[in-house]
Amino acid sequence: EVHLVESGGGLVKPGGSLRLSCAASGFTFSSYSMNWVRQAPGKGLEWVSSISSTSSYIFYADSVKGRFTISRDNAKNSLFLQVNSLRAEDTAVYYCARAPVMSATFFDYWGQGALVTVSS
Amino acid sequence: QSVLTQPPSASGTPGQRVTISCSGSSSNIGSNTVNWYQQLPGTAPKLLIYNNDQRPSGVPERFSGSKSGTSASLAISGLQSEDEADYYCATWDDSLNGGVFGGGTKLTVL
Repeated sequence: EVHLVESGGGLVKPGGSLRLSCAASGFTFSSYSMNWVRQAPGKGLEWVSSISSTSSYIFYADSVKGRFTISRDNAKNSLFLQVNSLRAEDTAVYYCARAPVMSATFFDYWGQGALVTVSS
Repeated sequence: QSVLTQPPSASGTPGQRVTISCSGSSSNIGSNTVNWYQQLPGTAPKLLIYNNDQRPSGVPERFSGSKSGTSASLAISGLQSEDEADYYCATWDDSLNGGVFGGGTKLTVL
């Protein structure tokens, strides 16, 4: 059974940093693209970033470009999101999602999410 | 303001058929396939329709998707109380080089 479990969320001050992790199990992690999608409290879904199976292709939303970095460790079945220079508007639940296809929004499995709160 | 436009709300009575629209442009819906997600309160989104009109295993046949030009639609027939949720359309945008979601539609079963 496919499982995605996010961790690393928490309360951080504006300008601070966090590293989100997503532990994958139940499938061949190295064969799939992975994504981060976030949802601010009471708001809709926002795509954040995508990374291909071999990390050859990486894309970011304009709202996070230059501040967030997506990466993966296929040997450890893990996906990461380094979030720097955090702003209040980055407060959200961050979901990792598996993508059978790169450059698409076909996300067949999602984690339960990790809450990031940016506040002084 | 979302790149894809959805009505903020929709409603229907049990047994009815409801449709939710998703409007985009040539750089997103016009060029790529559309996916739909259902999000029940307090839970992660769930894939409902992929590649415009395909249902993942386990999704009831009551749910169907379609796409024409730069618009897409999700139809739910035989509405049930458990269908009350938020629904999102999503696709890739070639101009933005990224994923885009609609603003979401809150479906209420009266």
